Amino acid sequence: EIVMTQSPATLSVSPGERATLSCRASQSVASSVAWYQQRPGQAPRLLIYGASTRATGIPARFTGSGSGTQFTLTINSLQSEDFAVYYCQQYSDWPPVTFGGGTRVDIK
Amino acid sequence: QVQLVQSGAEVKNPGASVNVSCKASGYTFSSFGISWVRQAPGRGLEWLGWISPYNGNTKFARSLQGRLTLATDASTSTAYMELETLRSDDTALYYCARTDIFGVYFDPWGQGTLVTVSS
Repeated sequence: EIVMTQSPATLSVSPGERATLSCRASQSVASSVAWYQQRPGQAPRLLIYGASTRATGIPARFTGSGSGTQFTLTINSLQSEDFAVYYCQQYSDWPPVTFGGGTRVDIK
Repeated sequence: QVQLVQSGAEVKNPGASVNVSCKASGYTFSSFGISWVRQAPGRGLEWLGWISPYNGNTKFARSLQGRLTLATDASTSTAYMELETLRSDDTALYYCARTDIFGVYFDPWGQGTLVTVSS
């Protein structure tokens, strides 16, 4: 089973600043990584798939990058609605599909 | 618009079974898979299983194999999940999610169904 490790667990950022979230896979997953945003009390929402392709309707301030074992989600110019928990997920080698433990982005 | 609407919250005794439904609309039901993911209170996401409404093929997380049954009804565009022999650690919010045919990522998600297992 591929283990996805996210860091940091919590990231404190001021509105308007940039947030950089990391996700590491225990073995290569090529570009088969998705990122999700989960706001309090809501279901997760797909942001990025294929490591770098934004899902429909996702603002350009969200950027995914990486391949192999190291992946990054960058959120430029953080807006109030971006303070949430973010999860990475691999789908290269399944079952099982596996998720990272999440990174909480909160207001500094 | 594409939408998945799940059935309501359930409270079950340990050892019982629970059924959760997920009604899809806004797309061709047989053209995408349906996955189930759960989230225990205050915890992260755990993938449970996947079903193809096209041919009924299924895949399961090893930890739940034998207790989880997935099914679909094409006539109503509805997917179903049944979890048997419930334990207290099955208490969680259960989500269905449409699964792309080109990659197993999830978009959109249902609103979630809270399953509470307690005596």
